[in-house]
Amino acid sequence: GENVEQHPSTLSVQEGDSAVIKCTYSDSASNYFPWYKQELGKRPQLIIDIRSNVGEKKDQRIAVTLNKTAKHFSLHITETQPEDSAVYFCAASIGNFNKFYFGSGTKLNVKP
Amino acid sequence: NAGVTQTPKFRILKIGQSMTLQCTQDMNHNYMYWYRQDPGMGLKLIYYSVGAGITDKGEVPNGYNVSRSTTEDFPLRLELAAPSQTSVYFCASRTGGYTEAFFGQGTRLTVV
Repeated sequence: GENVEQHPSTLSVQEGDSAVIKCTYSDSASNYFPWYKQELGKRPQLIIDIRSNVGEKKDQRIAVTLNKTAKHFSLHITETQPEDSAVYFCAASIGNFNKFYFGSGTKLNVKP
Repeated sequence: NAGVTQTPKFRILKIGQSMTLQCTQDMNHNYMYWYRQDPGMGLKLIYYSVGAGITDKGEVPNGYNVSRSTTEDFPLRLELAAPSQTSVYFCASRTGGYTEAFFGQGTRLTVV
């Protein structure tokens, strides 16, 4: 099956700085890559996603890049704010989209 | 629109007891999933379903069973609870394709 690895496990940045979280996947058949944000004690919620036919996607302060050849994708958050503090999960979906495989998560702490 | 609803929110089980975690969605989604999230860890897929009457194993199915008699409901059954099943359980649903997975609020289960 698919194996999704995520780094770093924790990330601490100063407010206003940028944060980058990286994921790799093992199955070249994966073609959909969502990112989820989970605030403490709450459910995961989608923040951005990218398809395999796109190299980059932006949504305000958030962007995701995908390198299919290297089988890795990254989440970029610019101008970080304290409310960005949360756990972020990457995921990969294979083939006909039946299953999502999640990374182990990155705990982002934005210091005021 | 309630989305994905899980019950109960919290439960303490004794070793060897059984229980059913309930999950229902009102979005007419075909795909439904059960994940477990251990402390400080990512989401591991237990079982999933692509439609009523169809279920399949995920990454960590041992000790669990599921059924999908209707589009709306996807209960997860724990037989002979063990301490290793202490976790937060999330149910999710989606329409399929390049679409967002919507999560329930989670069930925190402790086995003592």
